[in-house]
Amino acid sequence: GQNIDQPTEMTATEGAIVQINCTYQTSGFNGLFWYQQHAGEAPTFLSYNVLDGLEEKGRFSSFLSRSKGYSYLLLKELQMKDSASYLCAVFMTTDSWGKLQFGAGTQVVVTP
Amino acid sequence: DTEVTQTPKHLVMGMTNKKSLKCEQHMGHRAMYWYKQKAKKPPELMFVYSYEKLSINESVPSRFSPECPNSSLLNLHLHALQPEDSALYLCASSQGQDSLAKNIQYFGAGTRLSVL
Repeated sequence: GQNIDQPTEMTATEGAIVQINCTYQTSGFNGLFWYQQHAGEAPTFLSYNVLDGLEEKGRFSSFLSRSKGYSYLLLKELQMKDSASYLCAVFMTTDSWGKLQFGAGTQVVVTP
Repeated sequence: DTEVTQTPKHLVMGMTNKKSLKCEQHMGHRAMYWYKQKAKKPPELMFVYSYEKLSINESVPSRFSPECPNSSLLNLHLHALQPEDSALYLCASSQGQDSLAKNIQYFGAGTRLSVL
């Protein structure tokens, strides 16, 4: 079956670094996405990984290890506006079609 | 421009009503999606259209009926819904489906649906 796990909630201080882990067990894995979702708003794309290694995009970095079924999103120099839910999503392909399977999300709370 | 526009923003309907949700994008994307999201839960895929053809239906009840009139528009027709169908309905689009980069999905702000 499909299983995507990430912590429910994390709290960190403004200016700090937070690492959100995501583990997955899925068939047809073809890549991993990270999305940010503020309460009551649409998810917004942050990054994706298809190969093992680290992808850096400004204050956000994402890492993937396909052999371990593991990814993390690293948020540096936290700002209050980073308080949001962070969704790990596996891109799965079956036959000709692909789809995203989302994890339950990690609520990050940034405190002053 | 990475905008996906959904209307209406809010909708309240009775169980005997028929209503439609609309989604529009002008990014030239060829894949469009409907998701359902309950409070504090992740989005759940309902339907995928690729090149205006339905490619994925995630065993969604027939009271939800999708329609893709053209490459820019996606509708979700609602009929005889149940109170448990109350949720945020999100539309998304992507360039295509044939590579990971083309599958970056851009979401609309959603329609918050309440079924009484």
